[in-house]
Amino acid sequence: ETGVTQSPTHLIKTRGQQVTLRCSSQSGHNTVSWYQQALGQGPQFIFQYYREEENGRGNFPPRFSGLQFPNYSSELNVNALELDDSALYLCASSPISGEQFFGPGTRLTVL
Amino acid sequence: AQSVSQHNHHVILSEAASLELGCNYSYGGTVNLFWYVQYPGQHLQLLLKYFSGDPLVKGIKGFEAEFIKSKFSFNLRKPSVQWSDTAEYFCAGGGGGNKLTFGTGTQLKVEL
Repeated sequence: ETGVTQSPTHLIKTRGQQVTLRCSSQSGHNTVSWYQQALGQGPQFIFQYYREEENGRGNFPPRFSGLQFPNYSSELNVNALELDDSALYLCASSPISGEQFFGPGTRLTVL
Repeated sequence: AQSVSQHNHHVILSEAASLELGCNYSYGGTVNLFWYVQYPGQHLQLLLKYFSGDPLVKGIKGFEAEFIKSKFSFNLRKPSVQWSDTAEYFCAGGGGGNKLTFGTGTQLKVEL
């Protein structure tokens, strides 16, 4: 059984640029959630996708957007990057109300 | 508003010492509670979870947690820690649909 994978592992961008992060969910899981983990903090919920539709959103501005594909993989897009967007971005997949399985994360640095 | 707070940011223990990490939650309605662990260089893993029923929950690697509704607490315990328990521990809560609210984490260091 393949776990949750994320790409890339590390990324460096400059302010104002746009970034796309990718997540492949675990086999059989139809829900993907994205979290932002700033240094020294716990993960913060960004949004969740269920069967290709957004299914809840945390306190993040609209420049954070996402997609889920028919195979349940997902993308997180961030436009107009700011310095404070530097963080570890975590993806978790699950059945809609089951245990979430986390990927290793993508470390984004914004200069 | 939903919130989860963890009292201890850094804990240092000797091997074989007992562990208790505090977690308090503020939620309306039904709450599901979790403890996650992040070992150095690894991704978040679920230690244990509480949805309903017996308030004493047993998880992997000898960890347990007790849900005390009157105190809004879900503290994590282990009777005897090992060096390999060195990790960061996160308490999290969620309503339906699994949108989790995490605490700030507790960094545990176990010394030989």
